[in-house]
Amino acid sequence: GESVGLHLPTLSVQEGDNSIINCAYSNSASDYFIWYKQESGKGPQFIIDIRSNMDKRQGQRVTVLLNKTVKHLSLQIAATQPGDSAVYFCAENYGWGGISKPGGSNYKLTFGKGTLLTVNP
Amino acid sequence: DAGVIQSPRHEVTEMGQEVTLRCKPISGHNSLFWYRQTMMRGLELLIYFNNNVPIDDSGMPEDRFSAKMPNASFSTLKIQPSEPRDSAVYFCASSLGGDNSPLHFGNGTRLTVT
Repeated sequence: GESVGLHLPTLSVQEGDNSIINCAYSNSASDYFIWYKQESGKGPQFIIDIRSNMDKRQGQRVTVLLNKTVKHLSLQIAATQPGDSAVYFCAENYGWGGISKPGGSNYKLTFGKGTLLTVNP
Repeated sequence: DAGVIQSPRHEVTEMGQEVTLRCKPISGHNSLFWYRQTMMRGLELLIYFNNNVPIDDSGMPEDRFSAKMPNASFSTLKIQPSEPRDSAVYFCASSLGGDNSPLHFGNGTRLTVT
């Protein structure tokens, strides 16, 4: 899960296993959530997003689950590969739902502190 | 598509010097964001432009920080004078705007102020 301290939470898995990265978000009014992957020396890369009117969304090898009751978001990675090793961030925003604002859902994203995923060969 | 291009990749400077970071957003994107990343504070939004106009600069830490976007293909973030506590990785990101367009980040500029 996310941490407010100096040290990133870490998750270590074996290649081929499934990974689950958790995120507890803070704003009950948030209605748009994104997962980003950041490899060493690079910028965050978009993985998948989900709106608050959904509780599950699937991509290629990734699934995001949203539990609004307990304000919890998770990212599941199937058949984890060494190339999946990175820091994973969840981000939240509010104001989607037909409300037009410049920049749309990306405006004022709040990022979590990240989780370091290490995949062992 | 070359993605968001930032320069320089690394900048080492002495306290008191002026630093200018540069960003070329993805062509056609109308929203541009400057973020700062540190271990202590994570990713922080500094300023956000829409159609070259600054919309929200409330994240800019001090008057020493300024940002411009003279046209749709170029933005700068300037720190004058720089201080050691400004040391961080600075990211530029762009998006199409709207509700279904993710942020695309550059690879950042690692700034070290000694």
